[in-house]
Amino acid sequence: GAGVSQSPRYKVAKRGQDVALRCDPISGHVSLFWYQQALGQGPEFLTYFQNEAQLDKSGLPSDRFFAERPEGSVSTLKIQRTQQEDSAVYLCASSQVEGTGPNEKLFFGSGTQLSVL
Amino acid sequence: AQTVTQSQPEMSVQEAETVTLSCTYDTSENNYYLFWYKQPPSRQMILVIRQEAYKQQNATENRFSVNFQKAAKSFSLKISDSQLGDTAMYFCAFMSGGSNYKLTFGKGTLLTVNP
Repeated sequence: GAGVSQSPRYKVAKRGQDVALRCDPISGHVSLFWYQQALGQGPEFLTYFQNEAQLDKSGLPSDRFFAERPEGSVSTLKIQRTQQEDSAVYLCASSQVEGTGPNEKLFFGSGTQLSVL
Repeated sequence: AQTVTQSQPEMSVQEAETVTLSCTYDTSENNYYLFWYKQPPSRQMILVIRQEAYKQQNATENRFSVNFQKAAKSFSLKISDSQLGDTAMYFCAFMSGGSNYKLTFGKGTLLTVNP
């Protein structure tokens, strides 16, 4: 595709519901990242995939958060039993190479804004 | 752990004028990289400029330039000839040389360019 696509753009969930957020990276991109951006804050790293392998999940806030990329392309971020503090914009990014490095361009999607009521 | 601080929550500038956004960071590493990202209302983060810590020369990209002061751990962004399209959130970000993938962002500065 022309860019990184995320869906849905907006998601409203009742507290306790499970949600799934989708990311379609640029075709052929090896690396995929998820970031969480709370209101008025900068993005915070959640997790990193190299193809289908999840190499770093150190940023996931709790065991209610789970991410997968089973075929090395599309990725899904799942949040179980959502809480109000999960309300944020979830950004996905991809890059052509392993990692991203300082000289490789990182392409971001427009994010999913999750509101937990 | 590294931290990135942007002390200006909001800035404004008149069209065609110059504005400087501040960023300081804290790290014990000697090899790292610094970035400025722009986030317009579409929410899509766009890379503005990057700087390698081992390079003394300040990076420039058209109207955008940085003032990198390694000893002071300061990395400011200067925007010359400001345009209405520059209105956005600007985030300073740090990447460890040993990581090659994880970005640590500041809280951002909202820049408004007035006509």
